[in-house]
Amino acid sequence: NAGVTQTPKFRVLKTGQSMTLLCAQDMNHEYMYWYRQDPGMGLRLIHYSVGEGTTAKGEVPDGYNVSRLKKQNFLLGLESAAPSQTSVYFCASSTLAGGTSSYNEQFFGPGTRLTVL
Amino acid sequence: GENVEQHPSTLSVQEGDSAVIKCTYSDSASNYFPWYKQELGKRPQLIIDIRSNVGEKKDQRIAVTLNKTAKHFSLHITETQPEDSAVYFCAATAHGSSNTGKLIFGQGTTLQVKP
Repeated sequence: NAGVTQTPKFRVLKTGQSMTLLCAQDMNHEYMYWYRQDPGMGLRLIHYSVGEGTTAKGEVPDGYNVSRLKKQNFLLGLESAAPSQTSVYFCASSTLAGGTSSYNEQFFGPGTRLTVL
Repeated sequence: GENVEQHPSTLSVQEGDSAVIKCTYSDSASNYFPWYKQELGKRPQLIIDIRSNVGEKKDQRIAVTLNKTAKHFSLHITETQPEDSAVYFCAATAHGSSNTGKLIFGQGTTLQVKP
């Protein structure tokens, strides 16, 4: 049981390049989330999904797109990377309230450190 | 909009002392308040949580208190140890979270426990 995994772990991009971050979870969770973490700003929600085939905008969605074609995977795309997108990106998943885990407990992946030059 | 404010941003204590981190939230409908610990270079992990129908919850050396009227909640760590050194995040459920599981996180507190 791997929990939540993310690939890649590190990446360096040039301004204008594109990339996709992959998040996978093997806990059969309905909800998945993408956050970015910047010093002094906590975890800010980029996009989230409440189930396969659904996505919604979070607090800071501009410049990012997401897809959830399979329940276990949640992809985060950067179409044209900018230096302001240099950050650590975390994926998380959670199950419906009333499940075996604490209500709304989110399980995080190990993170992806992205640098945009 | 929805907001969670966390203080202090940094906290330094001597080993064995207590540490307290405080958070306030803006959405009176928030009903679940987790605390996450993030060690350097690692992922955030849940350490304790509290629901709005409870005023206090303890788990060994850590405890969380909730004041719904004042819309604030606090994390208390007693008998601190060097391994408690980490960044701590508070969070609160966001509007519509019953159908989305969304959380709003505070800005984080860097706790340093000096041996």
